[in-house]
Amino acid sequence: EAQVTQNPRYLITVTGKKLTVTCSQNMNHEYMSWYRQDPGLGLRQIYYSMNVEVTDKGDVPEGYKVSRKEKRNFPLILESPSPNQTSLYFCASSSGSGTDTQYFGPGTRLTVL
Amino acid sequence: SQQGEEDPQALSIQEGENATMNCSYKTSINNLQWYRQNSGRGLVHLILIRSNEREKHSGRLRVTLDTSKKSSSLLITASRAADTASYFCATDFYSMDTGRRALTFGSGTRLQVQP
Repeated sequence: EAQVTQNPRYLITVTGKKLTVTCSQNMNHEYMSWYRQDPGLGLRQIYYSMNVEVTDKGDVPEGYKVSRKEKRNFPLILESPSPNQTSLYFCASSSGSGTDTQYFGPGTRLTVL
Repeated sequence: SQQGEEDPQALSIQEGENATMNCSYKTSINNLQWYRQNSGRGLVHLILIRSNEREKHSGRLRVTLDTSKKSSSLLITASRAADTASYFCATDFYSMDTGRRALTFGSGTRLQVQP
């Protein structure tokens, strides 16, 4: 089944404790990205990747890192999480560019205390 | 940015009625997409309409695009309780400065279909 998976689905952590949210897709898509969703703000892109070893900033990259060492995986790293990073995070992929149909993962609800 | 803005923010209707949601955007686009999100879950792509198209159908969904007014509408006919969800429009964005291509999403319309 074609899908985007994320782990963990739920995470409660404390300020400053490094964490990684994994994202994997099995559709051989070149384009992957991370979004955060906050009430009233819609989805905002954090980082994106056009292909392996090619990543770039989205609209709200501060406080986040990403890597793309393999085509299928695109982890999101929070080196020192803060409470304002409490949010619902989505990974997405597409076969073409970032303006083509996006396939979303199920989401990761992160709470930073 | 050319973020799409949905209207209304919330809509409550009875099963069997039609639901219409609108989206406005600011600058020229190549395509506009509609997505659906069940509570707290990932977005699911519904339909894509290109800038040279005026109307598109998919099952009970009908999407229109008026590029002169920079607006789009999503019509769900004969709604069902299972249509209860949030609906988002997304417009394509290209930055000549950075070469970045992305979708920009509005904040969505929450649709409640009462059985």
